[in-house]
Formats: sequence, C-alpha cells, structure tokens
Amino acid sequence: GAGVSQSPSNKVTEKGKDVELRCDPISGHTALYWYRQRLGQGLEFLIYFQGNSAPDKSGLPSDRFSAERTGESVSTLTIQRTQQEDSAVYLCASSLVPSYQGNTIYFGEGSWLTVV
Amino acid sequence: KQEVTQIPAALSVPEGENLVLNCSFTDSAIYNLQWFRQDPGKGLTSLLLIQSSQREQTSGRLNASLDKSSGRSTLYIAASQPGDSATYLCAPLGAGGTSYGKLTFGQGTILTVHP
Repeated sequence: GAGVSQSPSNKVTEKGKDVELRCDPISGHTALYWYRQRLGQGLEFLIYFQGNSAPDKSGLPSDRFSAERTGESVSTLTIQRTQQEDSAVYLCASSLVPSYQGNTIYFGEGSWLTVV
Repeated sequence: KQEVTQIPAALSVPEGENLVLNCSFTDSAIYNLQWFRQDPGKGLTSLLLIQSSQREQTSGRLNASLDKSSGRSTLYIAASQPGDSATYLCAPLGAGGTSYGKLTFGQGTILTVHP
C-alpha cells in the first residue's frame, strides 16, 4: 500500500472485553513498531518487530498486552480484559530496514481506543 | 533512560514569522534524530531525519540542526503559514542502553500560525 494502514480507526469497548488492533505496514518494510499515545501525553514505545520476531517488547505495559506479526507483513496488537487506562490512540509505524540503519520511520493514522 | 524535552510547549504567531523550536535530549548515544508533525486526530508525518554524523538537514522552508554532543536539536521554520499549525515532535533514535533501537518522543510544541 501507499502508507501504513491501521484498523479499526475507532473502537469503543466495554471494560473487561478483549480487543484486536491491526496494522498493515508499507509493502517491503521489514521493521514494524507499535506506540501508544494517551490523551495529552507523549508517545510511549510498546514493541518492535524485525521480520516476524520481536527483539524488543520491553514497552508492553502488562501481560494483558501481546502482539504478533506474520508473513513479515501484518501485525496484530491484542489487549485482553481491557481497562479504562488502556484508552489511547495506538500508533503503528514501519521502516524499510531497522531504524537504527538510518531510514525514515512512517506512521499510520492510529487506532483510537475508548474503554467504557 | 533517554528523556526528551521540547521548548516552548506552545507557540502562537502571526503568519510570516520565522520560528525556532527547540529539542533537548539527555543521552547523546543516538543513531539519528527525526522531526515529525502531528495534526489533530491524525498520525505522525516525518519532516526531517538527521543522522548522528550530520549537523544540519533542510527541506523546503524547514531546517533542522543537530548538536549531538550537547544533546540539542533545533527546527527552524521560515516564513510560517497557517498550514504549518500542528504539533511538532522530535524523536532521537537510541543507540545504547534501554533506549537502543527506540524512538523516544518529547511532549511536542503546539504551533498555531494565524493569518
């Protein structure tokens, strides 16, 4: 695709339910990142994929959060037993090679999650 | 742990002014630094990427400088326009420690350019 695509763009869920957020990176991009931005706050790193493996998942806030990537393409971020503090916009980004090799990182428009 | 501070937090100016947005970071072990803009309800758009070995990068009316040793980057916007109104974020890419391979973001500068 032309850019990083995320779905759903908006999700309202009840506390305690599970949610899945999807990210389609730019075709051919091997590196994929998930960030979270709570209202009025900065971006927090969640997890980084190189290919299908996750060398750095240190930012996942609890064991309710998990992510996977398949086919070196689509990634899914799953939040189990959602809580109100999970309300945020979840941003996905990708780059051609791992970003430490100096390539630009491109962001999607985010999935806005509201837990009521 | 990398910490990023952006000053000012907010800026409101009339159209046509030349602007300076400041970014400071605590850990100089970085591979590069990227400047982004974020429009309300939207994702981030990359503006400029400066490699750690570079001092400056330019794109149109935008110019970004980097002084890695002192932990500072500055974004200059020339002849500002209402369409420049957005939140501007800087993000160094960590090269060591717990920040390795991650972009760490500042809180951003909220820019409003009025006609």
